[in-house]
Amino acid sequence: AQTVTQSQPEMSVQEAETVTLSCTYDTSENNYYLFWYKQPPSRQMILVIRQEAYKQQNATENRFSVNFQKAAKSFSLKISDSQLGDTAMYFCAFTPLGETSGSRLTFGEGTQLTVNP
Amino acid sequence: SAVISQKPSRDICQRGTSLTIQCQVDSQVTMMFWYRQQPGQSLTLIATANQGSEATYESGFVIDKFPISRPNLTFSTLTVSNMSPEDSSIYLCSVELRRGAEAFFGQGTRLTVV
Repeated sequence: AQTVTQSQPEMSVQEAETVTLSCTYDTSENNYYLFWYKQPPSRQMILVIRQEAYKQQNATENRFSVNFQKAAKSFSLKISDSQLGDTAMYFCAFTPLGETSGSRLTFGEGTQLTVNP
Repeated sequence: SAVISQKPSRDICQRGTSLTIQCQVDSQVTMMFWYRQQPGQSLTLIATANQGSEATYESGFVIDKFPISRPNLTFSTLTVSNMSPEDSSIYLCSVELRRGAEAFFGQGTRLTVV
């Protein structure tokens, strides 16, 4: 079984500054995908960034980047130039590639990020 | 991408009754997933719904409590049966278009049981 742990229930950052959200996971799988999703008050789950475990290069999407450390099973999210619209709950998620039952995501507990003006 | 329409968006129900949540996708998908998000908590997978076969339930969830239908490749329903206040949660459906790609979610159904 896989587990995903987010040790920061809440974080806050000033607008335009940088913040890093932590995530660790545990799995015996070798091939898998990792994701960061955000959930604003609207409840809509929105993909922020995705990382394939077999790629050593860290994924980047505009102001969002990850630090993927496969050996340490760590997958942190860095948000640069934070904006008020980044305020949301952020979930780290994992899906193994080897399963036949599709993208059964395992989610971490979530980190509530607040961007202050 | 995929657009998912989930209905109802919210409901308040009496204990002992049942509620059926609908999930409509704008494209054909093999698997659909139903998640529960209890207040202030993360998402937990309830079951995986395949078209033409029985849904596969996760540990702690049973068919009698959460019956699922999947009549075609674009539609699924989740019923929350014999509700109690502990069933008050957000219920979300999700689909994937291909393995490992982005999962798309409905906007969720906020259920309150009184």
